[in-house]
Amino acid sequence: DSGVTQTPKHLITATGQRVTLRCSPRSGDLSVYWYQQSLDQGLQFLIHYYNGEERAKGNILERFSAQQFPDLHSELNLSSLELGDSALYFCASSPRDGEETQYFGPGTRLLVL
Amino acid sequence: LAKTTQPISMDSYEGQEVNITCSHNNIATNDYITWYQQFPSQGPRFIIQGYKTKVTNEVASLFIPADRKSSTLSLPRVSLSDTAVYYCLVTDSWGKLQFGAGTQVVVTP
Repeated sequence: DSGVTQTPKHLITATGQRVTLRCSPRSGDLSVYWYQQSLDQGLQFLIHYYNGEERAKGNILERFSAQQFPDLHSELNLSSLELGDSALYFCASSPRDGEETQYFGPGTRLLVL
Repeated sequence: LAKTTQPISMDSYEGQEVNITCSHNNIATNDYITWYQQFPSQGPRFIIQGYKTKVTNEVASLFIPADRKSSTLSLPRVSLSDTAVYYCLVTDSWGKLQFGAGTQVVVTP
């Protein structure tokens, strides 16, 4: 158990819908990272937040957005969902900004039908 | 971020030592080398990290030559539970991780 929690574990929705994925970092960690893992693309970095501020963006679509709240939990919002958005979404946390070691949560499996 | 290249798969028997070599020719001066392990449908798990020479912890060793253009993860006496995908990453000071395809290690009795 990494100490990072993600909800929900599974999510099934339809194309065009919007969903919100939630992540609670390890106690004391200030950084939160989001990743997408699909069969054809592997693990892709999406976005990084540190203490409520966006720090880096990766391959994140404009239909996706994220935020980190004052209590340090983070949410990833996925809108206008497409079939290709079906994937495992992982959240990771680390103690500081740029900390090399990241601790991953169990992931949210999203299925878009 | 420096791109990494590692074998697609490796097979081993229980009790043997497994060495996975990763090349990262374009590694920058301040970059670290980090290895993660991932089981199916689980998040990656940090194994070990190093900058140069040799690093050892309770589960693995990491060997990095002086030119830092490659690194070797060594898993001593593997067991069936070590069957997983192993990722070699070069991490910069901003914490951004770029995962490659990884190496599928299969341990058989």
